[in-house]
Amino acid sequence: NAGVMQNPRHLVRRRGQEARLRCSPMKGHSHVYWYRQLPEEGLKFMVYLQKENIIDESGMPKERFSAEFPKEGPSILRIQQVVRGDSAAYFCASSPSRGFSTDTQYFGPGTRLTVL
Amino acid sequence: GENVEQHPSTLSVQEGDSAVIKCTYSDSASNYFPWYKQELGKRPQLIIDIRSNVGEKKDQRIAVTLNKTAKHFSLHITETQPEDSAVYFCAASMGGNEKLTFGTGTRLTIIP
Repeated sequence: NAGVMQNPRHLVRRRGQEARLRCSPMKGHSHVYWYRQLPEEGLKFMVYLQKENIIDESGMPKERFSAEFPKEGPSILRIQQVVRGDSAAYFCASSPSRGFSTDTQYFGPGTRLTVL
Repeated sequence: GENVEQHPSTLSVQEGDSAVIKCTYSDSASNYFPWYKQELGKRPQLIIDIRSNVGEKKDQRIAVTLNKTAKHFSLHITETQPEDSAVYFCAASMGGNEKLTFGTGTRLTIIP
């Protein structure tokens, strides 16, 4: 059973470019969460999605950031016009929708975004 | 919203001794408390979790205790080994697919 997959693992962008981060949840999981980790800091919640729906985006910056989880394919976190402050590790997590452990989140390996 | 505080930020322990990391949370509606271990450059890995209907849970050398009245929970690692060196994060949520609110992390170093 493959774990949460994220790609790319490393992404380098110049200021003003767009960054697209992809996340495939564990098999059988339909809930996806995105977290951001700045260097030497903890993880901060950004957005929670189910298939075709954004459930909670209370942690998303108001501008330049968007997320989607289409009916087919991975969840995508999109950052437009990146700035140096966007440099961070972006982790995706997934959880099951049924059973006792719906609150347990399993993390992917992360995408490390560097903005030059 | 929920706020989770974690102490200490760094902890050095002699190999074989015990390590204790403490967290407090602010929202009494939180009922799920996981602990994650993160090695340098790696993903956070769930090591143990506890739900509000129990006060303590053990898994080999790792245990977690929860005091709902005081709104704090702790991670206990006994007989520490060098491979326990990592950053440990506590978190809290309202359960049932809700978001996790993380503490700021504890860098644990095991001294051989």
